[in-house]
Amino acid sequence: DTEVTQTPKHLVMGMTNKKSLKCEQHMGHRAMYWYKQKAKKPPELMFVYSYEKLSINESVPSRFSPECPNSSLLNLHLHALQPEDSALYLCASSHGATISGNTIYFGEGSWLTVV
Amino acid sequence: AQSVTQPDIHITVSEGASLELRCNYSYGATPYLFWYVQSPGQGLQLLLKYFSGDTLVQGIKGFEAEFKRSQSSFNLRKPSVHWSDAAEYFCAVGAKNAGNMLTFGGGTRLMVKP
Repeated sequence: DTEVTQTPKHLVMGMTNKKSLKCEQHMGHRAMYWYKQKAKKPPELMFVYSYEKLSINESVPSRFSPECPNSSLLNLHLHALQPEDSALYLCASSHGATISGNTIYFGEGSWLTVV
Repeated sequence: AQSVTQPDIHITVSEGASLELRCNYSYGATPYLFWYVQSPGQGLQLLLKYFSGDTLVQGIKGFEAEFKRSQSSFNLRKPSVHWSDAAEYFCAVGAKNAGNMLTFGGGTRLMVKP
């Protein structure tokens, strides 16, 4: 079973709100990722967690705050977002902590609209 | 740093016709190569991957891809397209020394005519 589950599927939030996106996998994967995808564009890497520790932050603004409570869960906390942050946010996971021989599996995504 | 180019932004084929989507990569060593498909409003689904070995890779949904080192290409093919194949297709490359990072191409949108 190669399933990454994301909630909510759709989220509308105001620029002063605080919300969170959640991601869960039960494949025993030790690396988890957040990607951002704008319309008609490829996904862009935001964060990588490896063994529950943040290993890559692609210069993402601090209004996005990731959290990895345990090896199965990954959250993305959102605060004071801008309308241009509206996008599809994809969570992904892979078995190992490097790309060597590992496949990255993606969830269905959370559609975020900032108003 | 690695890069991926998908030269065709849009492709339209008739249902039942064959399909080839192009992907060219730039990387100094043997890369790890992937094809993902994204239906409208959905996440990315892995179609197939190449890590090593046989350069012709079989994937799900009847897709295959061939790694050609001399041409730095990893083109995706399907002998007979179905209407349900209409989607966005992304080629991606991972490098041995780039940790967990995938680099995606710009994507090719496939439209299928009845």
